[in-house]
Amino acid sequence: DAGITQSPRYKITETGRQVTLMCHQTWSHSYMFWYRQDLGHGLRLIYYSAAADITDKGEVPDGYVVSRSKTENFPLTLESATRSQTSVYFCASGSLLNTEAFFGQGTRLTVV
Amino acid sequence: DAKTTQPPSMDCAEGRAANLPCNHSTISGNEYVYWYRQIHSQGPQYIIHGLKNNETNEMASLIITEDRKSSTLILPHATLRDTAVYYCIVRVEGGNKLVFGAGTILRVKS
Repeated sequence: DAGITQSPRYKITETGRQVTLMCHQTWSHSYMFWYRQDLGHGLRLIYYSAAADITDKGEVPDGYVVSRSKTENFPLTLESATRSQTSVYFCASGSLLNTEAFFGQGTRLTVV
Repeated sequence: DAKTTQPPSMDCAEGRAANLPCNHSTISGNEYVYWYRQIHSQGPQYIIHGLKNNETNEMASLIITEDRKSSTLILPHATLRDTAVYYCIVRVEGGNKLVFGAGTILRVKS
């Protein structure tokens, strides 16, 4: 199916564990983004990528690692999860030719 | 990217036009005004964008002042399903970052 999908939709992990959130898009969009949204707050940009093998930090990158070996995938890794990283994570993609960004359904991550 | 200022919340009666303001006094000449909305628990959804001319699509109209320092998103006939957080963002077209502010909570009431 065409679109942008995130997996898993829900995840519970323990403090100190490594966890990876997956994001896959089928449009071959050049840009991809990761945001987090905490209860009652707006979206904050974690990392973004302009193309495969090109990534850059957003507003809140600490504690996160990203990679972009293929255009269609943009995984986000929490190397050692902390309770403060409990949040809803949204992935998005867009292209230079397409002015709008498309968002995934979100991943709700709970760190206990 | 220039910063935006929006009211924290607004109410609108169902069937009426919802007019959501946004101030962006430091906008640059090559920055567009984008509007997104986020319905509860879902990912944000693109609504409309413009540079200096007024724009209209099937969802909304965007009115940008002549000096481009402010704009208004208009939902012509608001429905209960339009209840959401509306974000006004300024960025270069196709620019690499899309930074969200606090947005406006629009509550459409019957």
